[in-house]
Amino acid sequence: QKEVEQNSGPLSVPEGAIASLNCTYSDRGSQSFFWYRQYSGKSPELIMFIYSNGDKEDGRFTAQLNKASQYVSLLIRDSQPSDSATYLCAVRRYGGSQGNLIFGKGTKLSVKP
Amino acid sequence: SAVISQKPSRDICQRGTSLTIQCQVDSQVTMMFWYRQQPGQSLTLIATANQGSEATYESGFVIDKFPISRPNLTFSTLTVSNMSPEDSSIYLCSVLLPGLAVHEQYFGPGTRLTVT
Repeated sequence: QKEVEQNSGPLSVPEGAIASLNCTYSDRGSQSFFWYRQYSGKSPELIMFIYSNGDKEDGRFTAQLNKASQYVSLLIRDSQPSDSATYLCAVRRYGGSQGNLIFGKGTKLSVKP
Repeated sequence: SAVISQKPSRDICQRGTSLTIQCQVDSQVTMMFWYRQQPGQSLTLIATANQGSEATYESGFVIDKFPISRPNLTFSTLTVSNMSPEDSSIYLCSVLLPGLAVHEQYFGPGTRLTVT
């Protein structure tokens, strides 16, 4: 089982719709969870992090965490063509080095005008 | 966040040669890292660059192949030695910044390396 799994996509949504990106992880000791956006040819950009069960909202983005199910998601409301990118889920292990983020392979999102 | 710069932004190198990538941060940071992102793949941690001591390498990466320097808290270099086409990748410098709740990790713009 891969440590951090994401559907590679592409996920295609119409402009204005809600995009839902999902991520599962295998290590129950994982403590904090991060979503990065990566445009083609660019480096990853931190969008949000979450560490408590439940929802965390920041503008059009909502991160959801369910530690019992080992599941984290990112919702993008009112999707825009500029949101088209690959979204990387990353997990930080409990007890690991501070930089030991484990990344999923990413989900490619395409928002159609 | 921090402003992170890398040089060069891209390079095309011949097999058997070495390339040194520089990473500069606009503020002092305790932890700096080097990642690799191979085509179509996600990010893989190569090593943690430790200031004043030897870097800490992840499984599958060795100092002879990827020597790292960290002379101070704002600068690090990664050398890709004796390159082969399999080393063609994007190399990313990353820093960890303390936040109110969690440490947040940011990436430099990357160095796109092609080995022919």
